[in-house]
Amino acid sequence: SQTIHQWPATLVQPVGSPLSLECTVEGTSNPNLYWYRQAAGRGLQLLFYSVGIGQISSEVPQNLSASRPQDRQFILSSKKLLLSDSGFYLCAWSSNRDRVNTEAFFGQGTRLTVV
Amino acid sequence: AQSVTQLGSHVSVSEGALVLLRCNYSSSVPPYLFWYVQYPNKGLQLLLKYTSAATLVKGINGFEAEFKKSETSFHLTKPSAHMSDAAEYFCAVTRSGGYQKVTFGTGTKLQVIP
Repeated sequence: SQTIHQWPATLVQPVGSPLSLECTVEGTSNPNLYWYRQAAGRGLQLLFYSVGIGQISSEVPQNLSASRPQDRQFILSSKKLLLSDSGFYLCAWSSNRDRVNTEAFFGQGTRLTVV
Repeated sequence: AQSVTQLGSHVSVSEGALVLLRCNYSSSVPPYLFWYVQYPNKGLQLLLKYTSAATLVKGINGFEAEFKKSETSFHLTKPSAHMSDAAEYFCAVTRSGGYQKVTFGTGTKLQVIP
């Protein structure tokens, strides 16, 4: 069965420090991968979307970047965090081959607080 | 392009009352539609999905949703609310075929009043 791992679960970082959040998927190959952010009262915002290694689509301009160095690894990064980067970050995957089971499966999230 | 709109960012119901969470979609091709639930500080869990089979879809925890093409709607219902239903609910849309992005609504927080 497929599983998705996301870490760390919580993170407190000072303004101006770098960020690296990692997400890995097991039990499937060539998944679509997503990074979402939930800020308080603002719903679920798609940040990045990837259909393959090295292929990243950015949905909104921001202080963050994403990379996909391996098929089932998705990394969210920042060189210098801003206070506004605080939020709950969710990684997700969906199948790009199965024409029926196209739902997204989520990790447990990372609560990032920038201080 | 595809999108979903969830009407009402907060909904309150009494325990035992009907739950109705609204979702309208926009899609240029036949959509696949989903409802997810999120408990505090957790990831999203799939409640149910519509993938062009039966228009009335039953999910976990007693929830169901009906796909109405004429109204471009996919509202989530539950006949009798339970305290454990208090959570945030997200509607999402995608379409058939590979390489298709899943797009989420802004969410509805459900409060259940004892």
